Amino acid sequence: ETGVTQTPRHLVMGMTNKKSLKCEQHLGHNAMYWYKQSAKKPLELMFVYSLEERVENNSVPSRFSPECPNSSHLFLHLHTLQPEDSALYLCASSRGDSTGELFFGEGSRLTVL
Amino acid sequence: AQSVTQPDIHITVSEGASLELRCNYSYGATPYLFWYVQSPGQGLQLLLKYFSGDTLVQGIKGFEAEFKRSQSSFNLRKPSVHWSDAAEYFCAVGAPDYGQNFVFGPGTRLSVLP
Repeated sequence: ETGVTQTPRHLVMGMTNKKSLKCEQHLGHNAMYWYKQSAKKPLELMFVYSLEERVENNSVPSRFSPECPNSSHLFLHLHTLQPEDSALYLCASSRGDSTGELFFGEGSRLTVL
Repeated sequence: AQSVTQPDIHITVSEGASLELRCNYSYGATPYLFWYVQSPGQGLQLLLKYFSGDTLVQGIKGFEAEFKRSQSSFNLRKPSVHWSDAAEYFCAVGAPDYGQNFVFGPGTRLSVLP
């Protein structure tokens, strides 16, 4: 298996549920990212991990909790979400510098009821 | 702070026609510039990128883009559009002092008429 894989592809959850999104990259990259893509809004960077350390956190609400146990895996733990959190959550990886292109997964479509 | 604008929200062209998608950025120096494409239900895929050197860069799927420093632009072009090019196109900017924080434009949706 190659590239960036995200699971689940679709998730429906209630506001009181706890769920997690998973991302795995097989590219040997050093950096992994979570982006949020909402309708009619630019792609929003949520978190960046470089060599398993968080280097960017763009003022994301604490109901989103990232975890990067190693350079190949990235999780986004979700709890007590709001309906406005419904969006496509994209994971990406890169070499870890600003010249390196991002390789994206296909995304996890989240619906919060 | 760096920013990216894509003035056209939606563009419709006929198959076989030429295409130009606009991208303007705001940054004090020359940034790193990227164009990505997103097909429905898919993640983003890199079309091409510019770091330095020749200002006309070639990408995949027959796309090219030209960096114009005087206009702070990085427009994407294709001489003859195919129906499979219908997708969302995103311009993005990176910079050395911004680390791994890439800034994306809002996207331009391309529709292709048969």
